Amino acid sequence: GAVVSQHPSRVICKSGTSVKIECRSLDFQATTMFWYRQFPKQSLMLMATSNEGSKATYEQGVEKDKFLINHASLTLSTLTVTSAHPEDSSFYICSAPHAKSETQYFGPGTRLLVL
Amino acid sequence: GNSVTQMEGPVTLSEEAFLTINCTYTATGYPSLFWYVQYPGEGLQLLLKATKADDKGSNKGFEATYRKETTSFHLEKGSVQVSDSAVYFCALSDSGTGNQFYFGTGTSLTVIP
Repeated sequence: GAVVSQHPSRVICKSGTSVKIECRSLDFQATTMFWYRQFPKQSLMLMATSNEGSKATYEQGVEKDKFLINHASLTLSTLTVTSAHPEDSSFYICSAPHAKSETQYFGPGTRLLVL
Repeated sequence: GNSVTQMEGPVTLSEEAFLTINCTYTATGYPSLFWYVQYPGEGLQLLLKATKADDKGSNKGFEATYRKETTSFHLEKGSVQVSDSAVYFCALSDSGTGNQFYFGTGTSLTVIP
């Protein structure tokens, strides 16, 4: 089946630094990818829609300047958490729609801990 | 608008017990419905899906039937195993591929031997 990977799987950083998370569709192309954030014991919250070749679409309340999204190619989207703070610590998950199976495939997630 | 309401957990069952996790939805269009499973420390995996009314999705002994008349997509399994312990998310997509997913809050299932 279709596979979506994320890198890194875990990252610990100091407050004030920036962290880049990659999301790749390994065996299919995706013009759109989605970024979610999940707090402990809660559901996924859609942060933004990443669009290849154009600007990302952010959900209400999500800071564009803090969560930079770049959809560099048909198989890669990156989320950069800029000037990270402890409250940005969370589980970040990406997904990509697989046209043939009409299903979203999710990456394994990236756990970010900001000290 | 679109939303998913899911049975609150946590749910604790003994091995081989029958499982039902309720899920109802509201949608402006004609959605596709999904169940995803999240094992501890991992991302979401598609468990099953249904794209039209009366469709039954099934996988690994789990089943769910798309009921348009009751706007429901309840997850069932006849005999749960310890390895089924995970968080289960009901979700809908209102226009199929490429569109936003709407998730329920998740139901944590623990199966004890």
